[in-house]
Amino acid sequence: AQSVTQPDIHITVSEGASLELRCNYSYGATPYLFWYVQSPGQGLQLLLKYFSGDTLVQGIKGFEAEFKRSQSSFNLRKPSVHWSDAAEYFCAVGAGNQFYFGTGTSLTVIP
Amino acid sequence: NAGVTQTPKFRVLKTGQSMTLLCAQDMNHEYMYWYRQDPGMGLRLIHYSVGEGTTAKGEVPDGYNVSRLKKQNFLLGLESAAPSQTSVYFCASSNPGNYGYTFGSGTRLTVV
Repeated sequence: AQSVTQPDIHITVSEGASLELRCNYSYGATPYLFWYVQSPGQGLQLLLKYFSGDTLVQGIKGFEAEFKRSQSSFNLRKPSVHWSDAAEYFCAVGAGNQFYFGTGTSLTVIP
Repeated sequence: NAGVTQTPKFRVLKTGQSMTLLCAQDMNHEYMYWYRQDPGMGLRLIHYSVGEGTTAKGEVPDGYNVSRLKKQNFLLGLESAAPSQTSVYFCASSNPGNYGYTFGSGTRLTVV
């Protein structure tokens, strides 16, 4: 069965520090992988997606993610966090007609 | 440039009442979805549709019904609301093979 695990429920970083959010997936075939961001009271916005090819994908707002098949991971990174990055981040895997979401990681940014 | 529009944005229901949530998309997407979001549980799929006139059950379908009479609209119904259905509901749409989900801004439902 497909599943997505985000091991970190909550992360706090200082503004300007680097960020890595972890995502592990379970899927039998080559996965389609995504990261979404949700600001308070808002819907989900797509940050980036991986379908195939280069395992390092670039997204919006300076985010990137790296697909590692051997580790079944798709971690999200940003070199320097801004206060406006404070939000909830969801990893998802696309399988057939459906998405499977992780439970999310809440990011707090300290000035 | 509306994308996916959900109505209403907020609603309070009494236990046992019924209501319908409306999702409308103007991107000519084939697929539409209803999710619920609860703290610590991420988004869970309630029902989805792969085209006009079709619906299918997702992960948590009990207590909900859906209809897709027009391609652009996807309705989620609660026949007899229960406090366990207090949640934030999100609609999304996409095209086959694209997985470029576009989400609505959500409906916050409280059942008292």
